[in-house]
Amino acid sequence: QQKVQQSPESLTVSEGAMASLNCTFSDGTSNNFRWYRQHSAKGLEVLVSIFSDGEKEEGRFTAHLNRANLHVSLHIREPQPSDSAVYLCAVKRRSNNRIFFGDGTQLVVKP
Amino acid sequence: NAGVIQTPRHKVTGKGQEATLWCEPISGHSAVFWYRQTIVQGLEFLTYFRNQAPIDDSGMPKERFSAQMPNQSHSTLKIQSTQPQDSAVYLCASSPAKSSAETLYFGSGTRLTVL
Repeated sequence: QQKVQQSPESLTVSEGAMASLNCTFSDGTSNNFRWYRQHSAKGLEVLVSIFSDGEKEEGRFTAHLNRANLHVSLHIREPQPSDSAVYLCAVKRRSNNRIFFGDGTQLVVKP
Repeated sequence: NAGVIQTPRHKVTGKGQEATLWCEPISGHSAVFWYRQTIVQGLEFLTYFRNQAPIDDSGMPKERFSAQMPNQSHSTLKIQSTQPQDSAVYLCASSPAKSSAETLYFGSGTRLTVL
């Protein structure tokens, strides 16, 4: 069973400072990675998808994937208080459509 | 495009009662997923349909949980004899499923509370 672990559990940054979130996964055949954001009591919103090693940017959100190190990260440039939410890493294996989620990082952006 | 619609938003049941949760996927999406979210377990996969057919229900507790997709416009998750440990937010997601890389689009969830 795929294990997806996120760190840190919670992160507080000041408005405008870079926020960096980490995600490690256990199945090296995984080929489909996404970062979602979940505001309190709401559904998940996809932020960025990445399928090959390297970097993928979507607006202020940049994902970095290093499959050899079983690691994918999310960097948020110039975070704003409205970015305060839980950020979830989602990993899909090549072999099937099961998507495994990490437990999330609670991000708080202070004005 | 209204997105994935889940009803009801909140449901409270007594222990032993039945709960039925509804999901309307985005029109044209052929894949529907159900997840359960709790603070302790995080997001757990329950089951997945493609073109209304059940593809993978390996995450479903076998005894009291069942899911159906009778037509392409809605899916239901039924929990019989609900227990307090079933309390969670149940999330439905749909995907165009044209390729394995498709994004999941989530509804806002149904918060189930079993007293």
